[in-house]
Amino acid sequence: ILNVEQSPQSLHVQEGDSTNFTCSFPSSNFYALHWYRWETAKSPEALFVMTLNGDEKKKGRISATLNTKEGYSYLYIKGSQPEDSATYLCAFSGGYQKVTFGTGTKLQVIP
Amino acid sequence: GAVVSQHPSRVICKSGTSVKIECRSLDFQATTMFWYRQFPKKSLMLMATSNEGSKATYEQGVEKDKFLINHASLTLSTLTVTSAHPEDSSFYICSARDRDRGPYGYTFGSGTRLTVV
Repeated sequence: ILNVEQSPQSLHVQEGDSTNFTCSFPSSNFYALHWYRWETAKSPEALFVMTLNGDEKKKGRISATLNTKEGYSYLYIKGSQPEDSATYLCAFSGGYQKVTFGTGTKLQVIP
Repeated sequence: GAVVSQHPSRVICKSGTSVKIECRSLDFQATTMFWYRQFPKKSLMLMATSNEGSKATYEQGVEKDKFLINHASLTLSTLTVTSAHPEDSSFYICSARDRDRGPYGYTFGSGTRLTVV
């Protein structure tokens, strides 16, 4: 059973604050690391797909980094807004098949 | 972009009946379909993986006779919850993989909230 863990489990931040969370995954047999944003009753929205050690990707105020050798990825949100409130999921793909999800970080941005 | 249509979005059924959930890839061929279930206060747990035309591979602890998965075509996969019980009430979601897009080829359906009464 693959162990994909995220921390913290939940987070409350004030509007305007920057925040980050962590995803840790197995460091062997790496294929890809996915980040998703998931709002209740909606389909998970793909944020990033990261494949190379040292990858840094950015989408607006959200960015992510990847370290495959040590098995972790960070997601950063700069200047959090209430609309950023959601659960952020990372998912590890160790081959050409299944994707294993982390436990998620539930973010609430307080106006 | 790639779209996966999942139906129904919500279903309420009586205990003992069966419920079928469909996932269709609208503009690509889903070589592989993954079915997930969300347990309370937990993340998405993989139930099974199915490749078009072959039997699904179930994760440990998932009853294959209870959760029947069919992937008869490259655009359609179904999950049937047989003889549903209240403990089967959950959120079920599919993810279709387009192998030609490599690691970028995973697309989720919108999910199905199943309530068994």
